[in-house]
Amino acid sequence: SQQGEEDPQALSIQEGENATMNCSYKTSINNLQWYRQNSGRGLVHLILIRSNEREKHSGRLRVTLDTSKKSSSLLITASRAADTASYFCATDATGTASKLTFGTGTRLQVTL
Amino acid sequence: KAGVTQTPRYLIKTRGQQVTLSCSPISGHRSVSWYQQTPGQGLQFLFEYFSETQRNKGNFPGRFSGRQFSNSRSEMNVSTLELGDSALYLCASSLLGMGLSEQYFGPGTRLTVT
Repeated sequence: SQQGEEDPQALSIQEGENATMNCSYKTSINNLQWYRQNSGRGLVHLILIRSNEREKHSGRLRVTLDTSKKSSSLLITASRAADTASYFCATDATGTASKLTFGTGTRLQVTL
Repeated sequence: KAGVTQTPRYLIKTRGQQVTLSCSPISGHRSVSWYQQTPGQGLQFLFEYFSETQRNKGNFPGRFSGRQFSNSRSEMNVSTLELGDSALYLCASSLLGMGLSEQYFGPGTRLTVT
């Protein structure tokens, strides 16, 4: 079963624009992670945010976490064609012995 | 440091057969997790091994099994293959465990069942 639901399912923007993806989850978590997957390949870890953190930055990535709303957002600034990929949030729910559950993913297309 | 490797990369099997997939984690990582990815169900967790012990298990039938060796390499086995088992199988290794630290994914094994 999927803990996280990403929104939107698909997003198409032009190079240089910002892309925002949202993730909602159902249960209390220890941390939330974002991953990127290029077509049909393995996933690449982007960022991990713990439940006691509200915001985290890594390069052009900004992640926010609102545990009261059980939601997170991933912002990619100044997007590039190479950012075209699917993005997944994954949650480590409390009481699940570090089991990680992935969301449904957002498919991002960045055009020139 | 070498990344996570998975073998084979592509596999075609017939219904009813069994298959074994292999995953070599990053050196020093003791946790290996397996996932199945399909267009319909997305990424679904199969199981996690840590220091040769299965620590977590997803909701898959008993036809799916795995093991981990003392060098942290892991194998997963699927017996009596069904058409619905066609998928990309991903393994990931991490230092502390799948939920505690970042996971490094292999390129996956694409299994096609005919």
